[in-house]
Amino acid sequence: SQKIEQNSEALNIQEGKTATLTCNYTNYSPAYLQWYRQDPGRGPVFLLLIRENEKEKRKERLKVTFDTTLKQSLFHITASQPADSATYLCALESYNTDKLIFGTGTRLQVFP
Amino acid sequence: ETGVTQSPTHLIKTRGQQVTLRCSSQSGHNTVSWYQQALGQGPQFIFQYYREEENGRGNFPPRFSGLQFPNYSSELNVNALELDDSALYLCASIPGGADTHEQYFGPGTRLTVT
Repeated sequence: SQKIEQNSEALNIQEGKTATLTCNYTNYSPAYLQWYRQDPGRGPVFLLLIRENEKEKRKERLKVTFDTTLKQSLFHITASQPADSATYLCALESYNTDKLIFGTGTRLQVFP
Repeated sequence: ETGVTQSPTHLIKTRGQQVTLRCSSQSGHNTVSWYQQALGQGPQFIFQYYREEENGRGNFPPRFSGLQFPNYSSELNVNALELDDSALYLCASIPGGADTHEQYFGPGTRLTVT
């Protein structure tokens, strides 16, 4: 069955460092991969989308890579700030469907 | 803020009861998806509605049903509530048009079944 794995352990980093979060998947060939941020008690907020034929996407301090051979996406936040502390979810989507399959999320804590 | 609203914010129900959750999509969005998020887990797709018709369903039993109205607002109904239905229920509205994939989530309804 389809499986999406994200670091289950919380990621704790110091302010100013780069945070790198991992999303691995099996038994799936997504057309798109999305990253969302979720704060406690709130709905997910869309951050970035990357297509299967794209290797890398950037938006301000965020960078996403997508390796369809390794079945892996990496999500980087450079110059991290305490305000970046949240849970980050990766989500996969096939062609011709808006159905998202989410990972369990990774909790990021950025310390001053 | 995404412009997607959900009501109520919190709800406590007893096992066996029925519940209706509501969602108002962002203006101009004709597609809505519903997700269930258990504590510590990622959201799980329940179903999707496009122009008032069900357009895909996840691995949820028939006691989970929905409606989408002409103004694209939506309802999720759950019958015969079970303890495991306790979760955060999220709706997400999706813009119409080709090549739009990001989903705009509401704040969710926290359902507790006792």
